[in-house]
Amino acid sequence: DAGVTQSPTHLIKTRGQQVTLRCSPKSGHDTVSWYQQALGQGPQFIFQYYEEEERQRGNFPDRFSGHQFPNYSSELNVNALLLGDSALYLCASSKGQGVLDTQYFGPGTRLTVL
Amino acid sequence: AQSVSQHNHHVILSEAASLELGCNYSYGGTVNLFWYVQYPGQHLQLLLKYFSGDPLVKGIKGFEAEFIKSKFSFNLRKPSVQWSDTAEYFCAVTRVSGTYKYIFGTGTRLKVLA
Repeated sequence: DAGVTQSPTHLIKTRGQQVTLRCSPKSGHDTVSWYQQALGQGPQFIFQYYEEEERQRGNFPDRFSGHQFPNYSSELNVNALLLGDSALYLCASSKGQGVLDTQYFGPGTRLTVL
Repeated sequence: AQSVSQHNHHVILSEAASLELGCNYSYGGTVNLFWYVQYPGQHLQLLLKYFSGDPLVKGIKGFEAEFIKSKFSFNLRKPSVQWSDTAEYFCAVTRVSGTYKYIFGTGTRLKVLA
């Protein structure tokens, strides 16, 4: 049973560029959440996708956008990259059961912005 | 705003010592509580969770946590740590209604000396 997978593993971009990160949820899961984990910090919620729609959003600017596909996989897009966007981006999947959700995390994509 | 505090940022113990990691949250409503662990080079893994019922929750690898509602706490414990417990531990909380996001603490780095 495959867990949550993410690609790429590492990415280096320059300021102003755009980046797309990808996530495949755990088998049987239909909900994907994205988190940003800066160095020395805990993960911070970016947004969650369910039924191909953004269900909830954290305190991140509109430069951060996402998409969920019919097969439940998801993309995170970040436009106009800033140095401060350098972080580990985590994808978490769950079964969309609301309060009974348990989120399972992928290995993350390490983004470095130069 | 909802927040999670982990008071111990770095903990160093010898093998067989007892462990207690503190976690306090700042929300007065009904919550779900989690402890995640991140071993070196690995992704976040669920250690244990509390949704309702018995406030003493047992997780994997001999860990347990106690939910004390009056203290807004969910401390993690293990009676005898092993070298393999060296990892970073994150406490997370989510409200039972009105949100899908997890709020994480900043993490506690545990080093167990052999």
